[in-house]
Amino acid sequence: NAGVTQTPKFRVLKTGQSMTLLCAQDMNHEYMYWYRQDPGMGLRLIHYSVGEGTTAKGEVPDGYNVSRLKKQNFLLGLESAAPSQTSVYFCASSLNLRLAGSTDTQYFGPGTRLTVL
Amino acid sequence: RKEVEQDPGPFNVPEGATVAFNCTYSNSASQSFFWYRQDCRKEPKLLMSVYSSGNEDGRFTAQLNRASQYISLLIRDSKLSDSATYLCVVNIQGAQKLVFGQGTRLTINP
Repeated sequence: NAGVTQTPKFRVLKTGQSMTLLCAQDMNHEYMYWYRQDPGMGLRLIHYSVGEGTTAKGEVPDGYNVSRLKKQNFLLGLESAAPSQTSVYFCASSLNLRLAGSTDTQYFGPGTRLTVL
Repeated sequence: RKEVEQDPGPFNVPEGATVAFNCTYSNSASQSFFWYRQDCRKEPKLLMSVYSSGNEDGRFTAQLNRASQYISLLIRDSKLSDSATYLCVVNIQGAQKLVFGQGTRLTINP
């Protein structure tokens, strides 16, 4: 049981290049999330998904796209990378948080460190 | 007003001391609460859930005050390995995502 895994762990891009970050979970979780975290700052939600085939915007979605074609995978795409997207990207997953009285919580992957030059 | 607010610190305390953090939340529909720990350059990890009656896990005690809308974390006999950022996290009833505080940075000094 690997939990939440992220690929790649590190990446350096040039401005304007594109890339896809992959998140995979083996816990059969319905919900998946992408966050970014900048130095000395809190987590900011980029996009999330409440089930296979669904996606929704978080608080900082601009410049990113996502897809959830399979329940266990959640992909984050950068179409044209910018230096402002230099950050650590965390994926997380959870069971259905909307269930009444839910005490479920999120589990995070180890992160992807992205530098855009 | 932020939905979840924490004192960012940093808190610098000597090894063996007791340290406490508070966290306030603004949404009265908040239904479940958690403390996460995040080490430098690592992912956040669940430290403990917070139950209405309060709960302990070894040297860690979590309390919930629904009337005043705050939760607290107490660390007794602090160890060097307790140095980390502690995140207060809230699940609001009906929401599809958790709300994370900005974190409180703790450094335990030898």
